[in-house]
Order: sequence, then structure tokens, then C-alpha cells
Amino acid sequence: GAGVSQSPSNKVTEKGKDVELRCDPISGHTALYWYRQRLGQGLEFLIYFQGNSAPDKSGLPSDRFSAERTGESVSTLTIQRTQQEDSAVYLCASRSDRGHGYTFGSGTRLTVV
Amino acid sequence: SQQGEEDPQALSIQEGENATMNCSYKTSINNLQWYRQNSGRGLVHLILIRSNEREKHSGRLRVTLDTSKKSSSLLITASRAADTASYFCATDRNIQGAQKLVFGQGTRLTINP
Repeated sequence: GAGVSQSPSNKVTEKGKDVELRCDPISGHTALYWYRQRLGQGLEFLIYFQGNSAPDKSGLPSDRFSAERTGESVSTLTIQRTQQEDSAVYLCASRSDRGHGYTFGSGTRLTVV
Repeated sequence: SQQGEEDPQALSIQEGENATMNCSYKTSINNLQWYRQNSGRGLVHLILIRSNEREKHSGRLRVTLDTSKKSSSLLITASRAADTASYFCATDRNIQGAQKLVFGQGTRLTINP
């Protein structure tokens, strides 16, 4: 597609449940990033995929967070046993190897009640 | 902290005035980018300035970069109500072999009609 697509756009879940967030990057973009943004804050780096290399997971806040990406396509971010502190907007971005431009999706707003 | 710092945190001005936002960072960078975010959702890329550039213009936007001081500024001239948004600077850097975009906390800009 023309842009980065994320789904769902909004998700309300009960504390303790697992959630899965999806990101469809721009076709041909080898790099994919997940960020978390709490209300009124900047973006926190979570994880980075580059082609078939091992992902950089250095930003994941706990072992309840994991992400997968198959090749250069869709990525899913999974949060297990959600906590209220996980409430945030989760943003995905992709980048081409040929340039410096990052394209962001509209994000998934996660609310844990 | 991996994040840069921006000031002011919030800025409120009258329509037609110029708005200046500043950003500082701590490490060497490939480039520095400014983004706008409306209503806490998707980010819109505004302008990119490379580490060997000192100033760049795009319409009503003017960005400066001082790598000796590790700082940047974004100037919006002749502000409009539609410029009301949060503005983030982000440094594009290589961290342990991975190219990442590291964000500041942002400036919330309000343009009063």
C-alpha cells in the first residue's frame, strides 16, 4: 500500500488479557520499527527489524512484550498479561534502505481497563 | 536517557507570530528530523537536516542544526491556527550497528486565533 497501515486503530482490553497489534509496512521497506507513546510523552523505541537479521529488542520493557516479522512483510507486536501501565499509543514505522525517511502509521491506541 | 530534550515543553502564541522550538541531543547523528503530531496519533514528517548541513527551509519552516552544540531549532513563521500540534525532533543515529530514530519529548504548540 501507499502508507504504513496499523490495526486495530483502537483496542480496549481487560487487565491480564493478551493483545496482538498489527503493522503492514510500505512494500519494499526492509526496516520496521515499533514505538510506544504514553499520553503527553515522546516516542519510546521498542523493537527494530532489518531484513532477515536478528531483531533489536533492546527497547522492550519486559518479557511480556514480543514481536515478530516474517521477511519484509507484516509485523505483529504481542503484549501478554496486559497491565494498566501498558495503556499507550503503539506506533509502527518503516524505512527504505535507500533513504533516511521514516513513514509512520496512525498507531493503535491501547487502553487496559 | 536515550531521548533528546526539547524546549519549551509548551508554547502558546497568537496567530501570525513566529514560533521557535529547540532540541538538544547527546550523541553523534546521521541526521535530525522534525515531525508534527496532531491529536496524539500519526506523525507527519516535516523536514530532515543532515549532519553536514547548518540550515534548511521548507515553506514556512526553517530548521537550523549546530552539531558543535548538539542542538537544533525549528522556526515556524507567520503561524496559523492549523499549526496547533505537538512537534518532535528525532535524531537518526547508529546505535550498536542499528539505525534508529530517537525522539525528544516534544513541544505542544498552541496558536491562538
